[in-house]
Amino acid sequence: GAVVSQHPSWVICKSGTSVKIECRSLDFQATTMFWYRQFPKQSLMLMATSNEGSKATYEQGVEKDKFLINHASLTLSTLTVTSAHPEDSSFYICSPGTGHNEQFFGPGTRLTVL
Amino acid sequence: LAKTTQPISMDSYEGQEVNITCSHNNIATNDYITWYQQFPSQGPRFIIQGYKTKVTNEVASLFIPADRKSSTLSLPRVSLSDTAVYYCLVGDSSASKIIFGSGTRLSIRP
Repeated sequence: GAVVSQHPSWVICKSGTSVKIECRSLDFQATTMFWYRQFPKQSLMLMATSNEGSKATYEQGVEKDKFLINHASLTLSTLTVTSAHPEDSSFYICSPGTGHNEQFFGPGTRLTVL
Repeated sequence: LAKTTQPISMDSYEGQEVNITCSHNNIATNDYITWYQQFPSQGPRFIIQGYKTKVTNEVASLFIPADRKSSTLSLPRVSLSDTAVYYCLVGDSSASKIIFGSGTRLSIRP
């Protein structure tokens, strides 16, 4: 299966700071990237879908100015949580679009905002 | 995308066979059924996928009745390491995004 990496695997930051999460598809080119977040004991919630070279599409209720997504290349997408607050503490997971039903997911990034 | 319904949680013991059923009454003709497994603090991992009848791989079997309105993931002889959340998803091959349902939290006891 496809290899997906995320960096960092965990991060702790102070309230008000910005955090960038990188997602890389290591062995294939992804024109589409899905970003999810997951709160404890809950399911994955789709935040946004990004396409290489164009603006991301955000799900209802997700602030596009707070969660900045950049998909500048076919192997790298970044999610920046701007002015993070404690309620943004969550597990963030990326998934490159494969064009078929078997999706591959990154290992996730645990964000803790103090 | 068809909505799915699964039990919230299940318990079983090591060595037992575990069957997790998923309901997807509104499944479309072109939809496939895919199951994922997620361990704590990890991304989901593909387990198995099927369209109809039965599919088997090295880790699980997937049973799909003729009407395809439900499916059952079967895990043979579970071990403690099978404790995880299992998600059932349906979608066609051109699905633009994957929406997760609540999943089933499976706990395996010694």
